[in-house]
Amino acid sequence: DVKVTQSSRYLVKRTGEKVFLECVQDMDHENMFWYRQDPGLGLRLIYFSYDVKMKEKGDIPEGYSVSREKKERFSLILESASTNQTSMYLCASSLWTSGGGEQFFGPGTRLTVL
Amino acid sequence: ELKVEQNPLFLSMQEGKNYTIYCNYSTTSDRLYWYRQDPGKSLESLFVLLSNGAVKQEGRLMASLDTKARLSTLHITAAVHDLSATYFCAVDLPTSGSRLTFGEGTQLTVNP
Repeated sequence: DVKVTQSSRYLVKRTGEKVFLECVQDMDHENMFWYRQDPGLGLRLIYFSYDVKMKEKGDIPEGYSVSREKKERFSLILESASTNQTSMYLCASSLWTSGGGEQFFGPGTRLTVL
Repeated sequence: ELKVEQNPLFLSMQEGKNYTIYCNYSTTSDRLYWYRQDPGKSLESLFVLLSNGAVKQEGRLMASLDTKARLSTLHITAAVHDLSATYFCAVDLPTSGSRLTFGEGTQLTVNP
């Protein structure tokens, strides 16, 4: 089974802090994704990566950056956390195919920014 | 731009009843996925539908895909409380890179 893990289930940070969310997958997937999920807004794609050191902006990249130094690891960085970044963050991975392919999700990190 | 719409967005039903959730999408695709999300949890893959006419079943849930109508359905048979969750459909296109486009989700509540 594909396993996607995220470094923290719950995280509380202060406004202005730099925050790192880590995601690791163990199935050699090329593609990795970061979403945020807020009530009434569904799933929104922040960034994704289809290869090591490659990244693509999603629909809401502002205020975020990402890093993919190894195939299995994809990090989401909040350079200066703000209260409007309080959310559930979901990481996912998928095999590269000619289209999107089934995505497998991690357990999520619920981030609260005070 | 691919749009994916689910209806209903909220569904409250009694145990033992049948119902169908609909997923419509705006651009031709023959690949569609269904996910389940329990409150406070992440998304869990339910079904992968990869061709016109595909039908998958697991337990009380059955999913189908009609690519000509750009429609997928998730049918619930004799609902039980354990099926209470939010269900998402997601569509991909060969031209979308690696991305999936998700519907808004259908929040299902099954009452005893």
